[in-house]
Amino acid sequence: GENVEQHPSTLSVQEGDSAVIKCTYSDSASNYFPWYKQELGKGPQLIIDIRSNVGEKKDQRIAVTLNKTAKHFSLHITETQPEDSAVYFCAASKGGGAQKLVFGQGTRLTINP
Amino acid sequence: DAGVIQSPRHEVTEMGQEVTLRCKLISGHNSLFWYRQTMMRGLELLIYFNNNVPIDDSGMPEDRFSAKMPNASFSTLKIQPSEPRDSAVYFCASSPLSGNTIYFGEGSWLTVV
Repeated sequence: GENVEQHPSTLSVQEGDSAVIKCTYSDSASNYFPWYKQELGKGPQLIIDIRSNVGEKKDQRIAVTLNKTAKHFSLHITETQPEDSAVYFCAASKGGGAQKLVFGQGTRLTINP
Repeated sequence: DAGVIQSPRHEVTEMGQEVTLRCKLISGHNSLFWYRQTMMRGLELLIYFNNNVPIDDSGMPEDRFSAKMPNASFSTLKIQPSEPRDSAVYFCASSPLSGNTIYFGEGSWLTVV
């Protein structure tokens, strides 16, 4: 089955700097890669996603890149702000519809003022 | 629109007791997922349903766990008898059948003592 590895497990950056979180996946048939943000005491919330027919997607300060050949994808947050502090999860799934989204282990991001 | 609604938000119970967690899907969604989150194992998919039918329950830890969808908008996850190692946050999530995006509830925080 699919296996998703996420690095680093913790990341601390100065406010205003950029943060990058990386994930690798094992199943070449996976074609959907979302990123979720989880704040303390809440459920994960989708912040951005990318499909396998696209190499990069951007939404304001966040962007995701996908390298299908290498089977890895990354989340980039620019101009970080204190409210970006949270746990971020990458995930992968294959096929049509919302099937078996497999999550990475999570990255605890801390933005230092 | 209301999001995925879970209850109870917090539960503390004694070992051996039955625990029932409840979930109301987002209106119009056809897929329902139960995830468990722990520090050690991260986010694990326990079971998911499409159109009230269980599709994959391979993540259910053992026979003490059972999940049902008595109708298109409601699901329960039952643990009987509960054990201390079941302590975790249990998330319910839903998705349109034709879409990839999964929306999470706020979670049920279970502590078994």
